[in-house]
Amino acid sequence: AQSVTQPDIHITVSEGASLELRCNYSYGATPYLFWYVQSPGQGLQLLLKYFSGDTLVQGIKGFEAEFKRSQSSFNLRKPSVHWSDAAEYFCAVAPGGFGTASKLTFGTGTRLQVTL
Amino acid sequence: EPEVTQTPSHQVTQMGQEVILRCVPISNHLYFYWYRQILGQKVEFLVSFYNNEISEKSEIFDDQFSVERPDGSNFTLKIRSTKLEDSAMYFCASSEGRLHASGNTIYFGEGSWLTVV
Repeated sequence: AQSVTQPDIHITVSEGASLELRCNYSYGATPYLFWYVQSPGQGLQLLLKYFSGDTLVQGIKGFEAEFKRSQSSFNLRKPSVHWSDAAEYFCAVAPGGFGTASKLTFGTGTRLQVTL
Repeated sequence: EPEVTQTPSHQVTQMGQEVILRCVPISNHLYFYWYRQILGQKVEFLVSFYNNEISEKSEIFDDQFSVERPDGSNFTLKIRSTKLEDSAMYFCASSEGRLHASGNTIYFGEGSWLTVV
């Protein structure tokens, strides 16, 4: 069964600083990988996804993530954080390959706090 | 942008009561899901639904739970005889197709917060 680990429960960065949120997955084959963001009182919004191809994927709000198969990682990055980025970020994995289920397995989330 | 809508946004119910959470998936989507998030814990898959039947369910989704698509637009989650541990945020989601190379994405609603007292 697949699993996702987000080692950092809580991260604080200054506005304008760079950000990297870590995500490691465990899965036997190439998975499909996602990052979602949840603002207070809001639902889960998709930031970006990786299915195949270029291992560096661009998402909304200036976020990007890089799939590194050798490290089983899919870290989320942003070069300059804005105060409005404060939220909870979830990494998720789904089994890859045609005909497999569409079930997402989520990590425990990383809460991002942005200081002014 | 089309979105998944859920009602109610917050419901308080007494233990042992039945609850129905409602969702309107995105109109051209064919796959529907329920996930839940207990406070402070990760988002967990409950069930997926396609072609008017359950396609997959987790071990959490026992006989206490049921899903239904009563008409062409709504998708409901029924929780019978609620327990304190059912208190959670319940997310409805939908996707156009399965998650494979075509790159379908699961879109989530804003959630229904259920409090069992």
